[in-house]
Amino acid sequence: QSVLTQPPSASGTPGQRVTISCSGVYSNIGDNAVSWYQQLPGTAPKLLMYNTDRRPSGVPDRFSGSKSGTSASLAISGLQSEDEADYYCATWDDRLNGFVFGTGTEVTV
Amino acid sequence: QVQLQQWGAGLLKPSETLSLTCAVYGRSSSGYYWSWIRQPPGKGLEWIGEISQSGSTNYSPSLRSRVSMSVDTSKNQFSLKLVSVTPADTAMYFCARYSGYELFLDSWGRGALVTVSS
Repeated sequence: QSVLTQPPSASGTPGQRVTISCSGVYSNIGDNAVSWYQQLPGTAPKLLMYNTDRRPSGVPDRFSGSKSGTSASLAISGLQSEDEADYYCATWDDRLNGFVFGTGTEVTV
Repeated sequence: QVQLQQWGAGLLKPSETLSLTCAVYGRSSSGYYWSWIRQPPGKGLEWIGEISQSGSTNYSPSLRSRVSMSVDTSKNQFSLKLVSVTPADTAMYFCARYSGYELFLDSWGRGALVTVSS
């Protein structure tokens, strides 16, 4: 049901850089800002990135976001064990007139 | 930021009505909406809809025929109702604050597990 496509999994060793992609179309990513959410096991999602590349207070600068056309990316540099979580991209979809989430990516360290 | 605390019935039978309420603690400026999101066990996030502080609503097309939301500004609470539930509605339900200007959900409730089973 998700209209934004993410790889189901990504992995890396401590210290490595991992990138997660989020693919959409013009009516969502192409026309609107993207946010990213981190969901640790058994907890509610937490806002990780907004307006595509802005970090809320308290989010380490190891996390960075970008967007090009109808795709967005989240990069985690200096990977740490505490980064093991599910990550979701999200944005508004003008055609559906609703908020849409990505399929989610499980990051393993 | 604000803190959100949610509650509601956790076990329902098919055809019953799901009812959840979320209380908002802390000041929230204008421009924010109150949203509901759900997550079936082991699956991804699904946006259910949103309600403004003035009561304007916007629902997911896939749930529009069964969902309704309301807001009680005097109590700083907002609520979700989903009628005619089926086992497919079994999920963790989250309430959250949504920035309509910048398109993000910045404060989330802890979630409430709703199970639909006969």
